[in-house]
Amino acid sequence: GEDVEQSLFLSVREGDSSVINCTYTDSSSTYLYWYKQEPGAGLQLLTYIFSNMDMKQDQRLTVLLNKKDKHLSLRIADTQTGDSAIYFCADLNTGFQKLVFGTGTRLLVSP
Amino acid sequence: EAEVAQSPRYKITEKSQAVAFWCDPISGHATLYWYRQILGQGPELLVQFQDESVVDDSQLPKDRFSAERLKGVDSTLKIQPAELGDSAMYLCASSFERGDEEASPLHFGNGTRLTVT
Repeated sequence: GEDVEQSLFLSVREGDSSVINCTYTDSSSTYLYWYKQEPGAGLQLLTYIFSNMDMKQDQRLTVLLNKKDKHLSLRIADTQTGDSAIYFCADLNTGFQKLVFGTGTRLLVSP
Repeated sequence: EAEVAQSPRYKITEKSQAVAFWCDPISGHATLYWYRQILGQGPELLVQFQDESVVDDSQLPKDRFSAERLKGVDSTLKIQPAELGDSAMYLCASSFERGDEEASPLHFGNGTRLTVT
């Protein structure tokens, strides 16, 4: 089955850029998503990218997709303490209409 | 902004008891999902509905779990009997997608945190 991998932790200082990486195995991916989860809460959609794009920018967020290497990244510019959360990468296989999540990357932003 | 509503927010139950969770998706969203998220892991799909029909329940432990969406709007997920290993966050999500259309993002509720003692 499909597999989505992420590093477990990332620690940055306030004001720095954060880059969260994700790799996936599904060759039939059509959309890839980034979700944010704060403690005790549900998942908040941050952004998503269609598989025929290689970059998408939305305010402080930049998504890069390398389809050949099946690598996705999320860059957060000027990271703030309020960005501390768990970030999930998710891959949609529209053949099965199934969204598969990674294990999440815990981002810690220190003042 | 419209939200996916879930209740209860928290549930504590003893093992072997029955428990039920409710979800009301965003109005007009045809597809509804129930995910289970064990602490420290990503969400895993339990069941997916397209309107009132089950599209995928391959990961649903059918001996104890059941889900329904009778009128194609709100949905109930039930566990009977609950086991200690069922302790997790149960997340409901919905999307506008209607099969052949371009996939739309999933919008999640805040979840129900279940603790089985």
